[in-house]
Amino acid sequence: AAGVIQSPRHLIKEKRETATLKCYPIPRHDTVYWYQQGPGQDPQFLISFYEKMQSDKGSIPDRFSAQQFSDYHSELNMSSLELGDSALYFCASSLVGTRRSDTQYFGPGTRLTVL
Amino acid sequence: KNQVEQSPQSLIILEGKNCTLQCNYTVSPFSNLRWYKQDTGRGPVSLTIMTFSENTKSNGRYTATLDADTKQSSLHITASQLSDSASYICVVSQTDSWGKFQFGAGTQVVVTP
Repeated sequence: AAGVIQSPRHLIKEKRETATLKCYPIPRHDTVYWYQQGPGQDPQFLISFYEKMQSDKGSIPDRFSAQQFSDYHSELNMSSLELGDSALYFCASSLVGTRRSDTQYFGPGTRLTVL
Repeated sequence: KNQVEQSPQSLIILEGKNCTLQCNYTVSPFSNLRWYKQDTGRGPVSLTIMTFSENTKSNGRYTATLDADTKQSSLHITASQLSDSASYICVVSQTDSWGKFQFGAGTQVVVTP
């Protein structure tokens, strides 16, 4: 079965550069979530989109932005990168519809290293 | 203070043995509780999800329980296998949020031969 696809899997950037992470949800899933997991830390919820509209916002820095496109894939744009942005970024998708008790399926993550 | 507390922090068990992980939460209003298994460097994989009215749910050798009155949940692993070595994360969501979850710190389980 198709799973959540994230690209790239690894990314190395320098401070103050920008980065774009991509997430392709499971086909027919309508909701995408972004999480940031620092070394040895819990995943922190960043932002979510339902039917291409932002549905919830967590601890996403102002330097980051995200959107969900018409084909339901999502991109997380990160600007003015800082050393502390080095983390594993997970995308998850779910089929929510009118239900909120949904199962989230996580992608493999993108490991971002900021030098 | 974290609204989702897990115990123990880590656990070493022999292959074939059973173990139980605990999760206590203070998240309110409560919507649902999930248990995830996360291998190092991989995305979390959903094991179970329970709403307020569900007391127990099984997924193969994994059985989760929920007591919404005491705000406690447990994950029982039966006949552990080496592949069960992973971090097990308890996640609780609120009824007034959509996708915003409170994650526990996880219990690191190591299964030894």
